Amino acid sequence: GAGVSQSPRYKVAKRGQDVALRCDPISGHVSLFWYQQALGQGPEFLTYFQNEAQLDKSGLPSDRFFAERPEGSVSTLKIQRTQQEDSAVYLCASSLAVVGGSGTDTQYFGPGTRLTVL
Amino acid sequence: AQSVTQLGSHVSVSEGALVLLRCNYSSSVPPYLFWYVQYPNQGLQLLLKYTSAATLVKGINGFEAEFKKSETSFHLTKPSAHMSDAAEYFCALKSSGDKLTFGTGTRLAVRP
Repeated sequence: GAGVSQSPRYKVAKRGQDVALRCDPISGHVSLFWYQQALGQGPEFLTYFQNEAQLDKSGLPSDRFFAERPEGSVSTLKIQRTQQEDSAVYLCASSLAVVGGSGTDTQYFGPGTRLTVL
Repeated sequence: AQSVTQLGSHVSVSEGALVLLRCNYSSSVPPYLFWYVQYPNQGLQLLLKYTSAATLVKGINGFEAEFKKSETSFHLTKPSAHMSDAAEYFCALKSSGDKLTFGTGTRLAVRP
């Protein structure tokens, strides 16, 4: 079946604009994760969902970042009043199992959205 | 706190040579460890994972990794590098809540 898809693939925003990044997980996957990857760095955890419930948002860098998954499928990461330091690739991943289960479940990653804030 | 350290941000090998990418971890609980590969403008693809079933783990594309608890290491190897192996490689540790903690990555270059 199809993998994780993200849109848009590239987004250029002027400082102060709001942006919305979309993630379509693999069908049937219960868990969904967002990561931020700055240039030359490894991905860093932002938040995750189990179905529609946001179980951990400890990685969100500020209250300008907001994520939702209202129907337990598609998720949107919203960034308000973008700043230059928000420039990064935003990766979405999904996994089949319930969070806190066996722990061995694989996270499948989408191609990412590259956000550039001017 | 749990963390992952990848020694060497850039590694260059000749085609046909051994590939060795290093990963050390710190974890207060028995870890689950992963290696992902990232090609330009693509997402992360799982190469292999350690789930405590066996210390030597075989993955895709001829890669394997050995979990060594005494050394807190999970180094990635491939006996013979191919040009198509050129990419960035990330070691990751699964921590609380199933979120992944990644290293800073190692960019592998393969010389013809």
